[in-house]
Amino acid sequence: AQSVTQLGSHVSVSEGALVLLRCNYSSSVPPYLFWYVQYPNQGLQLLLKYTSAATLVKGINGFEAEFKKSETSFHLTKPSAHMSDAAEYFCAVSHNTDKLIFGTGTRLQVFP
Amino acid sequence: DAGITQSPRHKVTETGTPVTLRCHQTENHRYMYWYRQDPGHGLRLIHYSYGVKDTDKGEVSDGYSVSRSKTEDFLLTLESATSSQTSVYFCAISESMDRGEETQYFGPGTRLLVL
Repeated sequence: AQSVTQLGSHVSVSEGALVLLRCNYSSSVPPYLFWYVQYPNQGLQLLLKYTSAATLVKGINGFEAEFKKSETSFHLTKPSAHMSDAAEYFCAVSHNTDKLIFGTGTRLQVFP
Repeated sequence: DAGITQSPRHKVTETGTPVTLRCHQTENHRYMYWYRQDPGHGLRLIHYSYGVKDTDKGEVSDGYSVSRSKTEDFLLTLESATSSQTSVYFCAISESMDRGEETQYFGPGTRLLVL
């Protein structure tokens, strides 16, 4: 069965600092992996997705994620945090006809 | 932004009453989904639809039913609401479910409080 684990339900960084949100997946077959962002009182918006075309995936708002099969990870990074990045971030996994399985989310706080 | 609306956006109801939430899309996507979002659980799939009158259960379907009589509308019904169904409900759509790489697009959510 597929699953994702997001390490750290809350992450706090200073404005301008590196953002690193962790996601590890479990899948018996090559997965498709997604990062979604949820701003307060809004729905989820796709940040980026991995579909096996390239291991380093660039998304919107300066975020990127690297698929590492040996570590079963798909961590989300951004070199320099902005105040507007404060939100909740969800990692999700699927494959073939399976449904999308979400992690429990990581809330990112950005301090001035 | 994907054309997805949910109604109502907020609802307060009492235990034992029926509740229907509506999702409407203007994208003509085949697949529609209902999720609930709860702290510590992320999003969990309740039901999904792969066409008009074609629906199937998700991970947490007990206590919920769905209907889809038109491509654009997907209804979620709580036959007899319970306090455990207090949650934020999200509708999502996708063009396909045949390949796991398809992106799902989400509506703005409905916040439901069952007293």
